[in-house]
Amino acid sequence: QVQLVQSGAEVKKPGASVKVSCKASGDAFTGYGFHWVRQAPGQRLEWMGWINVDNGNTKYAQQFQGRVIFTRDTSANTAYMELSSLRSEDTAVYFCVRQLRLGELSAWGQGTLVSVSS
Amino acid sequence: QTVVTQEPSLTVSPGGTVTLTCASSTGAVTSDYYPNWFQQKPGQAPRALIYSASNKHSWTPARFSGSLLGGKAALTLSGVQPEDEAEYYCLLHCDGPWVFGGGTKLTVL
Repeated sequence: QVQLVQSGAEVKKPGASVKVSCKASGDAFTGYGFHWVRQAPGQRLEWMGWINVDNGNTKYAQQFQGRVIFTRDTSANTAYMELSSLRSEDTAVYFCVRQLRLGELSAWGQGTLVSVSS
Repeated sequence: QTVVTQEPSLTVSPGGTVTLTCASSTGAVTSDYYPNWFQQKPGQAPRALIYSASNKHSWTPARFSGSLLGGKAALTLSGVQPEDEAEYYCLLHCDGPWVFGGGTKLTVL
């Protein structure tokens, strides 16, 4: 069963960038991909986008277009999410989620808290 | 952008049955939306329960079931346990992007 381990909490100043990693173990790092989801304090889950692990193709939610980049390193079984031009509203817990088959989202990372404050 | 709507809150008695629903602003939810359901308890990451409307993961308790009902995706809990008290989110694939519902806070009382 796949397990996802994310990088640790980050504190950033407005305007900075943050890069969160998500390392997978327990399955072959091929097939479909990873979603990224965030949750601001006390708020709903928000889908940020998706990366295909096989070809690196990405799909970003409209509200993050131009500010987020997903990448993956297949040799390290790791997916990355980089968010730039951070503002206080980006303070949230960021999750990676594995999609193994069409329509099937399964394992979640433990979450990474990103705090943005001056 | 598509808006996905869930009941904000529901209350159920232990041992009872409750159905949570998930609607799309664009029309009826079909299998093409690949509805997924997740459970989230306070301070924890969400846990996947159902995918593609009605398929369970290996860890999903038998009392949870998913379906398409009256143009919506539905999650039914039968024989509710106290530990089922949580927030439940649906996720729909809306012709490109995926969209979460606002979540249903389920209280077991």
